[in-house]
Amino acid sequence: GEDVEQSLFLSVREGDSSVINCTYTDSSSTYLYWYKQEPGAGLQLLTYIFSNMDMKQDQRLTVLLNKKDKHLSLRIADTQTGDSAIYFCAETLPAPSGGSYIPTFGRGTSLIVHP
Amino acid sequence: DSGVTQTPKHLITATGQRVTLRCSPRSGDLSVYWYQQSLDQGLQFLIHYYNGEERAKGNILERFSAQQFPDLHSELNLSSLELGDSALYFCASSGIRGVNTGELFFGEGSRLTVL
Repeated sequence: GEDVEQSLFLSVREGDSSVINCTYTDSSSTYLYWYKQEPGAGLQLLTYIFSNMDMKQDQRLTVLLNKKDKHLSLRIADTQTGDSAIYFCAETLPAPSGGSYIPTFGRGTSLIVHP
Repeated sequence: DSGVTQTPKHLITATGQRVTLRCSPRSGDLSVYWYQQSLDQGLQFLIHYYNGEERAKGNILERFSAQQFPDLHSELNLSSLELGDSALYFCASSGIRGVNTGELFFGEGSRLTVL
């Protein structure tokens, strides 16, 4: 199966909260990340959480980490139409060839915000 | 603007041809990563270079090769192109901090269409 799994689509109304979920594989991952990809653009780091934390809050964003279940979530409060994008969960895993640890991404969750 | 520059932005070519994609990392970043993004495979890691040396390989086809030059720019060469190689190819760079945290800065991508 996939190393990092996340649902492909989420649709919410403007002003509601959005919760994007992710499961990852490596319990020893030191950092876990959320990246955002807007249409026609590259990925941009949104936030990350260190593995010894349970929660991290940054303005409208809240990241929750459940290490026991290897579950990561991103909550966006008061979701706006400008938040419509693809959100990628990522962890750092050993490369297939060995050597470096490589940021490994899920397939991305397309967040669609309706006015 | 991430500071990572990729050229060309769009490329259309025929099966069997060869193309070169170019990436200039952020100023001072020694690490360059290449990823392939397609609808069916998501974001797949191809290869990682650090200061001119190959550090890790992902699921990169033998028809593909890359290098990082002394000025730290990188090129991804794709040869004997097939229809299935049509995808968005991203370059990302990271600095010393990113080697530990996995924080990447992505370019806007090169969209390759093979007809």
